[in-house]
Amino acid sequence: SQQGEEDPQALSIQEGENATMNCSYKTSINNLQWYRQNSGRGLVHLILIRSNEREKHSGRLRVTLDTSKKSSSLLITASRAADTASYFCATDETSGSRLTFGEGTQLTVNP
Amino acid sequence: DAGVIQSPRHEVTEMGQEVTLRCKPISGHDYLFWYRQTMMRGLELLIYFNNNVPIDDSGMPEDRFSAKMPNASFSTLKIQPSEPRDSAVYFCASSFGREIEQYFGPGTRLTVT
Repeated sequence: SQQGEEDPQALSIQEGENATMNCSYKTSINNLQWYRQNSGRGLVHLILIRSNEREKHSGRLRVTLDTSKKSSSLLITASRAADTASYFCATDETSGSRLTFGEGTQLTVNP
Repeated sequence: DAGVIQSPRHEVTEMGQEVTLRCKPISGHDYLFWYRQTMMRGLELLIYFNNNVPIDDSGMPEDRFSAKMPNASFSTLKIQPSEPRDSAVYFCASSFGREIEQYFGPGTRLTVT
């Protein structure tokens, strides 16, 4: 089964609103990464947060990590129609040798 | 840099045929990953290389699948013989180091009829 599970599976909001996506995982990790995938394209790396970090910002993106709850959230502020995409979390497990992707959240931002 | 380059972008083939997917990683990257993405199974890691050496191929579904990396700038994923259930988008990704961000190619959409 997937290490990371995103919630919700789909999210539809209006332009200008904030979008929050959550990711839960099962085992200890070195880091957690968020990626975006536009329809028909490859994944694009957004942000990486290490296990000893609790929060990270990049432009309109804010990522939090709670290792005690084994969860992370991605917040996109002041969303735009161009933010419409699928968002995936990926975990780098301490016991593993690979990056494991979740099933993704499909975000739709309506103009 | 042009990013990760994959070819072909689309491939339609008949069941039983051999399919070869190609990937050129970003220059200087020492890790190369092959993924498969389907609606049913999501994004799956098939195999990855470090410095041209296969490190983990536990995700390769069957013996019909094979991957090679003859040099630092080229890798192939081969399916022989292909089956309809192999239909998917295949992505190649590369990175400088294993634990940091990966750069994905545009993918190859494979349809096996």
